[in-house]
Amino acid sequence: QKEVEQNSGPLSVPEGAIASLNCTYSDRVSQSFFWYRQYSGKSPELIMSIYSNGDKEDGRFTAQLNKASQYVSLLIRDSQPSDSATYLCAVNHRPMNSGGYQKVTFGTGTKLQVIP
Amino acid sequence: ETGVTQTPRHLVMGMTNKKSLKCEQHLGHNAMYWYKQSAKKPLELMFVYSLEERVENNSVPSRFSPECPNSSHLFLHLHTLQPEDSALYLCASSDRGSTDTQYFGPGTRLTVL
Repeated sequence: QKEVEQNSGPLSVPEGAIASLNCTYSDRVSQSFFWYRQYSGKSPELIMSIYSNGDKEDGRFTAQLNKASQYVSLLIRDSQPSDSATYLCAVNHRPMNSGGYQKVTFGTGTKLQVIP
Repeated sequence: ETGVTQTPRHLVMGMTNKKSLKCEQHLGHNAMYWYKQSAKKPLELMFVYSLEERVENNSVPSRFSPECPNSSHLFLHLHTLQPEDSALYLCASSDRGSTDTQYFGPGTRLTVL
């Protein structure tokens, strides 16, 4: 059973602080990792993808990947009330460039609350 | 229309009804997915179609029947559902390229009475 584990939260941070979201996964051969944001009543939207060990930055968001520890994290700098949402960690079990499609397992998500 | 669209957005049906969910993608993608999202549970992959061929079926009960007539359209036919099938059903699409990104539709909120 391929699993993706996240703390369900809620994680509460004050506005302007750094929010740190964590995720572990069980399938060692996974190569593609994603963070989706889901507002209440809405569908998930991709905010970050990461494929290699280390950090990847995009604006206020930084994804971190450590394949040896099977660990992915998302840092949100200067958190805003509009960042309040559930953040889903997702892992693609099919090799990159294998052609055609993904086979993705999602975590249950971490609910983030940014307090003004 | 742009992106991934789904209809209807809300559906209430009895256990003996037959209904269909529709998904359409306007992104030129060639893989489409059905997911189920229940309260307190992770998104569950149900079916995957790649180039109009079903390539994944994650042990989904036969009361859910997918159909992919072309690369832009995906259906989920529903019959004799159970109350525990009430959930948000999400459609997504992706491209064969290396971006590996799935784009989700807005979902259909299904209630089975």
